[in-house]
Amino acid sequence: AQSVTQLDSQVPVFEEAPVELRCNYSSSVSVYLFWYVQYPNQGLQLLLKYLSGSTLVKSINGFEAEFNKSQTSFHLRKPSVHISDTAEYFCAVSDQGAQKLVFGQGTRLTINP
Amino acid sequence: DAGVTQSPTHLIKTRGQQVTLRCSPKSGHDTVSWYQQALGQGPQFIFQYYEEEERQRGNFPDRFSGHQFPNYSSELNVNALLLGDSALYLCASSVFPPDLNSPLHFGNGTRLTVT
Repeated sequence: AQSVTQLDSQVPVFEEAPVELRCNYSSSVSVYLFWYVQYPNQGLQLLLKYLSGSTLVKSINGFEAEFNKSQTSFHLRKPSVHISDTAEYFCAVSDQGAQKLVFGQGTRLTINP
Repeated sequence: DAGVTQSPTHLIKTRGQQVTLRCSPKSGHDTVSWYQQALGQGPQFIFQYYEEEERQRGNFPDRFSGHQFPNYSSELNVNALLLGDSALYLCASSVFPPDLNSPLHFGNGTRLTVT
């Protein structure tokens, strides 16, 4: 069975500061990894994904995540956050591509001015 | 191009009642999955429908059932509602067979409150 652990339920940071949201996974098979973002009163939007190849993946809005197989981690980072990044972030794993995702419990990112 | 649409947006039911939630997939998608997101938790997979059949199911009781129509839209039915069924129910659509480069597209969800 697969599982995902997001180590921080809440992360408060100041605007323009760097941030790291931690994610560890457990799986007995090859996995695909995802980060989704959920803004208030909205559904989930895909932020970035690791399927294969380069272990460092990047999104169009400055986030990046690195797949570390030995540490079974997929931490999300951004060098400088903006107020608009305030949201809930979910790490997810799947052994079926983008289908049937197993999500972590989420990390609430709060940006203070 | 309409994305995934869900209705209603909010719903209040009484314990023991039955509820039906509806979902229209993104244009071009033929597979619908349902997820339950309890307050403060990540979404949990309920089941997936393709070609009007349930293809995969998560760890949910038989009180949770679904249906997919020929136009690919879907319904989620929950019978004998419990207080613990209160959650945000998310619908996600995709294409079949699974394409690694085609992500799930989520709707904004239906917030169900059971009193």
